[in-house]
Amino acid sequence: EVQLVESGGGLVQPGGSLRLSCAASGFTFSSYSMNWVRQAPGKGLEWVSEIDGSGTYAFYADSVKGRFTISRDNSKNTLYLQMNSLRAEDTAIFFCGNTRYGYNWGWGQGTMVTVSS
Amino acid sequence: DIQMTQSPSSLSASVGDRVTVTCRASQDISGSLGWYQQKPGDAPKLLISAASSLPSGVPSRFGGSGSGTVFTLTISNLQPEDSATYYCQQAKSFPRTFGQGTKLEIK
Repeated sequence: EVQLVESGGGLVQPGGSLRLSCAASGFTFSSYSMNWVRQAPGKGLEWVSEIDGSGTYAFYADSVKGRFTISRDNSKNTLYLQMNSLRAEDTAIFFCGNTRYGYNWGWGQGTMVTVSS
Repeated sequence: DIQMTQSPSSLSASVGDRVTVTCRASQDISGSLGWYQQKPGDAPKLLISAASSLPSGVPSRFGGSGSGTVFTLTISNLQPEDSATYYCQQAKSFPRTFGQGTKLEIK
């Protein structure tokens, strides 16, 4: 069974940094692209970033490009999202997911990030 | 970027009804369209991939169709547990983009 468990969320001041982690199990981690999708309170889903199975290629939404960095450690079956220069509009639940053919087949339960002074 | 537009933004229907949600892409995405269901407090769940393919475990009352720029999600024989928000998502190119969501209420 696919299990994805996010951690690292919390309260951070504007301009601050946070690193999210997503621990994966139940599938061959290195065979899947992985991504982050976020959801602001009461709003819809927003795709944030994706990385291929080897960690070679990464893609970002314009809203986070230059501020967020996605990475993975296949030896630890863990996905990361380094978030710098955080803004109030980054406040959201961040979900990690494993993707195949462009679709999220598995999702974590999400971790909340709140950017506020 | 490819823009995805869903309609309606909300709808209400009764148990046993059939409902349709439409998703339009701002450019041709072939059949690269997925649908997700999200219930309050839960993560989304993949309902349909590649416009019409149901993952294992998804009830057959869910159906998808379309190609190019117009797609539909149809739910037949509505059940109380179908109350949720439904999102489309294009898988044609990066950045991936979602529709704004359609909230389905069961009367």
